[in-house]
Amino acid sequence: DGGITQSPKYLFRKEGQNVTLSCEQNLNHDAMYWYRQDPGQGLRLIYYSQIVNDFQKGDIAEGYSVSREKKESFPLTVTSAQKNPTAFYLCASRKGIRPGMNTEAFFGQGTRLTVV
Amino acid sequence: AQSVTQLDSHVSVSEGTPVLLRCNYSSSYSPSLFWYVQHPNKGLQLLLKYTSAATLVKGINGFEAEFKKSETSFHLTKPSAHMSDAAEYFCVVSANNAGNMLTFGGGTRLMVKP
Repeated sequence: DGGITQSPKYLFRKEGQNVTLSCEQNLNHDAMYWYRQDPGQGLRLIYYSQIVNDFQKGDIAEGYSVSREKKESFPLTVTSAQKNPTAFYLCASRKGIRPGMNTEAFFGQGTRLTVV
Repeated sequence: AQSVTQLDSHVSVSEGTPVLLRCNYSSSYSPSLFWYVQHPNKGLQLLLKYTSAATLVKGINGFEAEFKKSETSFHLTKPSAHMSDAAEYFCVVSANNAGNMLTFGGGTRLMVKP
């Protein structure tokens, strides 16, 4: 089955630790995204990538880092510099974002990160 | 710049009654519009999309939406609510002049009473 997979589903982090959230897709999509969702709020864009080996900061990139070494994978690292990392993290992919390609995004099932 | 406003943060309906979730958008270019549904602790699932074809769009689970350019609206409707429709709904806009980036509304939580 084609889809987008996030792991783990739940993640606990101690103060001062870095943690990495996994996102893998087998849809052959060019673009991938990371969003953060807090209770009662919409989605905020952390980072996005339109092509392998390239990525751009979103609205709330501070304290986060990403890599895009393979088309299928877009891991997100939450660093110790992120002061309030407890949230629900969603990864998404799209076929492409060239002009005229206003395609829908496909979402993973999310990772809930909690600082303990 | 583009933006999306979901006019109601919470909507409550009784099972079997119609559902209306309102969405207004702002875009200086011909947009594509999407509605997504999110159940608790889950990812977002596409309900329907408008991409400049028919203005009345039918989606999954009996939902539909009508694109009204003159009103810059894309309201989501369903004739008869089911208990399983209780969830968070997001209206999303994407336009060529905004780098095709997705802009999300703040979400509407739909509650369905028995």
